[in-house]
Amino acid sequence: AQSVTQLDSQVPVFEEAPVELRCNYSSSVSVYLFWYVQYPNQGLQLLLKYLSGSTLVKGINGFEAEFNKSQTSFHLRKPSVHISDTAEYFCAVSDHAGGFKTIFGAGTRLFVKA
Amino acid sequence: KAGVTQTPRYLIKTRGQQVTLSCSPISGHRSVSWYQQTPGQGLQFLFEYFSETQRNKGNFPGRFSGRQFSNSRSEMNVSTLELGDSALYLCASSLVVIGNRNTEAFFGQGTRLTVV
Repeated sequence: AQSVTQLDSQVPVFEEAPVELRCNYSSSVSVYLFWYVQYPNQGLQLLLKYLSGSTLVKGINGFEAEFNKSQTSFHLRKPSVHISDTAEYFCAVSDHAGGFKTIFGAGTRLFVKA
Repeated sequence: KAGVTQTPRYLIKTRGQQVTLSCSPISGHRSVSWYQQTPGQGLQFLFEYFSETQRNKGNFPGRFSGRQFSNSRSEMNVSTLELGDSALYLCASSLVVIGNRNTEAFFGQGTRLTVV
């Protein structure tokens, strides 16, 4: 079975500082990995995805993530955060066994301070 | 292209009542999934429908059910509501093509259900 572990439940950071949100996954098959962002009282918006090819994936809003197969990680990074990046971030893996579903990590709350 | 639309956005129900939530997927998407989001349990998968058939089901009691219509629109029903059913219910649609795992889920804004 596939699973996702987000290593930090909360990450406070000052505005314009760099940030890394950590994600590890476990899977016995080829993986397709995603990062989603959720703003208060909103649905989930896709930030970026890794399906195949280059292990460095660039997404929206200046975010990027690196797929590391040997370490089974897919950490999300941004070199300089803004107040508006304050949100909940979810790492996820798609599961095609017996249908289609997305398996989510518990989420990391990014809090950007002025 | 219109996104995933969920109605209603907010709902307040009393314990013991039942509720129906609606989801209209992105045009052309035949897979619709439902998730329950709560502060304590995070995002939990409820079920997935594809071409009017439930293909996948999460670990929820039988009070939670769903269906999908021929136009891919989906409804989720919860009967005999309990206080613990208060949550954000998210619907996602996907362009699932058999033999192609290049798939992502597109989410609606959710329905906030409060059970009192």
